[in-house]
Amino acid sequence: GAVVSQHPSRVICKSGTSVKIECRSLDFQATTMFWYRQFPKKSLMLMATSNEGSKATYEQGVEKDKFLINHASLTLSTLTVTSAHPEDSSFYICSARDRQPPVETYEQYFGPGTRLTVT
Amino acid sequence: LAKTTQPISMDSYEGQEVNITCSHNNIATNDYITWYQQFPSQGPRFIIQGYKTKVTNEVASLFIPADRKSSTLSLPRVSLSDTAVYYCLVGDWFSGGYNKLIFGAGTRLAVHP
Repeated sequence: GAVVSQHPSRVICKSGTSVKIECRSLDFQATTMFWYRQFPKKSLMLMATSNEGSKATYEQGVEKDKFLINHASLTLSTLTVTSAHPEDSSFYICSARDRQPPVETYEQYFGPGTRLTVT
Repeated sequence: LAKTTQPISMDSYEGQEVNITCSHNNIATNDYITWYQQFPSQGPRFIIQGYKTKVTNEVASLFIPADRKSSTLSLPRVSLSDTAVYYCLVGDWFSGGYNKLIFGAGTRLAVHP
């Protein structure tokens, strides 16, 4: 099946610094990627939809100036957490939808996640 | 986007069949039903997807009644490695839009020896 990778898998940063997380579709093209965050024992919360070549669409309550999303190509989207604070510590997961999925397959592929810890 | 309701948790034993039911009363005509599995500190993994009646693959079956207001994920002969959170999602996969997925609380399945 299609593979989505994330880098880094875990990162620790100091409060006030910025962190960039990459999401790549390895063997397919994705015009749309999604970013989620997940707190311990909680469900995934959609943060934003990343569209190749255009501005991201953010869900209500998600600060677009704090969570910068760039979808520069059909295989790469990045999430930058700016001026990170301890409350931004979370598990960040991306997903991607195949631009040209196989017939009868309407699946979104998820990355392995990135564990962010802000100290 | 149709809202889904699932049991918060379930317990089972190795070798048993597990059925997890999801309620989606306001499912739309174009909506498909998709189930994902998630292990701790991993991204969700696709299990199965269906529109109506029954769908079966190598890991699970999905039963959808005629009114499509609910669906049941069936896991045959579970093992300890099936301990995970299972999410039922409903969405329009054909609209050509970006088909965002909204996750509910999921069902935390614990399989015991």
